[in-house]
Amino acid sequence: DVKVTQSSRYLVKRTGEKVFLECVQDMDHENMFWYRQDPGLGLRLIYFSYDVKMKEKGDIPEGYSVSREKKERFSLILESASTNQTSMYLCASSYRRASYEQYFGPGTRLTVT
Amino acid sequence: SQQGEEDPQALSIQEGENATMNCSYKTSINNLQWYRQNSGRGLVHLILIRSNEREKHSGRLRVTLDTSKKSSSLLITASRAADTASYFCATYDAGNMLTFGGGTRLMVKP
Repeated sequence: DVKVTQSSRYLVKRTGEKVFLECVQDMDHENMFWYRQDPGLGLRLIYFSYDVKMKEKGDIPEGYSVSREKKERFSLILESASTNQTSMYLCASSYRRASYEQYFGPGTRLTVT
Repeated sequence: SQQGEEDPQALSIQEGENATMNCSYKTSINNLQWYRQNSGRGLVHLILIRSNEREKHSGRLRVTLDTSKKSSSLLITASRAADTASYFCATYDAGNMLTFGGGTRLMVKP
């Protein structure tokens, strides 16, 4: 079974802190994704990566950056956390094309105070 | 922006009944996918239907797709309490991104 793991289930950070969220998948998937999920807004794509060192902006990249130095690992970085980044963050991966089914991690609930 | 919109937003049924959720979308798609999310957890892929398919089955799940109406439905037959979750449709178009709707919250009462 594909396994996607995220570094933390719950995280509390202060405004202005630099925050790293890490995601690891164990199935050699080419594509990896970061979403945020907010009530009433569904899932919104922040960034995705289709190969090592490659990244593409999603719908809401502002305030975020990403890093993919190894195929299995995709990191989301909040350079200076703000309260409006309090959210559930979900990582996903997929094989070959982004049109294939995506496998999700358990999510990280981030609270910025 | 949301491509898919689910209807209803919330649904409450008794165990053993069927649950039907609908999804409408705006642009041409390559495929449409349905996902389930248990409370506070990640999403789990349920089924994918391609734009040239009209119906697909997987266990107690039945998905239909009507590209002329830009809509899809997910039917869960003989529902169980364990089916309580949020259900999302997601569409893939040529933009290389999967776009999710806002979800339907299903509650199945024992």
